[in-house]
Amino acid sequence: GQSLEQPSEVTAVEGAIVQINCTYQTSGFYGLSWYQQHDGGAPTFLSYNALDGLEETGRFSSFLSRSDSYGYLLLQELQMKDSASYFCAVLSGSARQLTFGSGTQLTVLP
Amino acid sequence: EAGVAQSPRYKIIEKRQSVAFWCNPISGHATLYWYQQILGQGPKLLIQFQNNGVVDDSQLPKDRFSAERLKGVDSTLKIQPAKLEDSAVYLCASSLAGTEKSYTFGSGTRLTVV
Repeated sequence: GQSLEQPSEVTAVEGAIVQINCTYQTSGFYGLSWYQQHDGGAPTFLSYNALDGLEETGRFSSFLSRSDSYGYLLLQELQMKDSASYFCAVLSGSARQLTFGSGTQLTVLP
Repeated sequence: EAGVAQSPRYKIIEKRQSVAFWCNPISGHATLYWYQQILGQGPKLLIQFQNNGVVDDSQLPKDRFSAERLKGVDSTLKIQPAKLEDSAVYLCASSLAGTEKSYTFGSGTRLTVV
């Protein structure tokens, strides 16, 4: 089966940088995705890494190390609107399904 | 492009009653997923459809849950009879073949079983 681990909570101040780590165990691994979910909202796609290295999209970057089964999401220049839950998810298996972690609640303080 | 539509938005039922949720995916998206998200947890896959066929329903509690996707477009998820532990948000997502890395989710149906 699959398992993912990420911190349950992270707190940071506006303008700061925060890193949310994710370690995983799975078979048939294709890549690692990150989703953002505000309270009461739908999960929305942020990024995807299939290969080792850093992918940058505006203020958000995501990193993957396949050999370490590890990735992280880096959020820069934090804004209040970034307060949300962030989920890592592995794409794996013959059916190419996403399996989600339990999520990290990010609180951005003024 | 219209998003994934789900209804109802909220539902409160008593235990042992039945309930049904509806999902209309993004036009052209062949793959449709139903996820269950319990408060404070990540989404958990219940069933995956490719067009109108089931790809994986290994995590669907088949004694009480059923799902169908008629004509490869809309889908319904049913629970009968409901239990207290079924209280959760039921999320529908869809993706184009080859874009499984990125799902588009609907806003979900929040079910409360009392």
